[in-house]
Amino acid sequence: EVVLTQSPATLSLSPGERATLSCRASQSVGSYLAWYQQKPGQTPRLLIHDASNRATGIPARFSGSGSGTDFTLTISSLEPEDFAVYSCQQRSIWPPSFGQGTKLEIK
Amino acid sequence: QVQLVQSGAEVKKPGASVKVSCKASGYTFTSYDINWVRQATGQGLEWMGWMNPNSGDTDYVQKFQGRITITRNTSIRTAYMELSSLRSEDTAVYYCARPGFGSGWFDYWGQGTLVTVSS
Repeated sequence: EVVLTQSPATLSLSPGERATLSCRASQSVGSYLAWYQQKPGQTPRLLIHDASNRATGIPARFSGSGSGTDFTLTISSLEPEDFAVYSCQQRSIWPPSFGQGTKLEIK
Repeated sequence: QVQLVQSGAEVKKPGASVKVSCKASGYTFTSYDINWVRQATGQGLEWMGWMNPNSGDTDYVQKFQGRITITRNTSIRTAYMELSSLRSEDTAVYYCARPGFGSGWFDYWGQGTLVTVSS
């Protein structure tokens, strides 16, 4: 099973700042990686798929990069509604797996 | 629009079973896989298993083998996830999720069902 390790566990930033979240896979997953956003009491929302493609309706301030084992989600300028938990997921190697999440909180 | 509507919260005793339903609407039920994912409080998402509603084929994570069964009733466009021999560690929100058109990623999610296992 592929283990996805996300860092940091918690990231404290202010609106307007740039956020950089990391997801590292225990073995190569190619570009088969996605990012989800989850707010308290809500279901996960697909942000980025195939490492760097924004899902429908996702603002351009969200971008993804990486391949193989190292991936990054970048939020260029944080809006108040961006403070949430972000999780990565791979589907390259069965079974699909998720990271433990990074909580992005307001500083 | 695509909707996945799950059954309500459950409270179960250790050793019991729970069956969560996921009713689909807004699309052809047999055209997209249904996946089940759970999330314990304060924990990450955990993929549990998958079903092809057309064929009924299923696959489960090794961790749940022998305890999980995913089924469907195509006439009412509903998928089910049954988990048996419940223990306290199974307390979590259980989600059904479906990929988008031409995508293997989870674009659509049910609202979640809280299952609490407590004596």
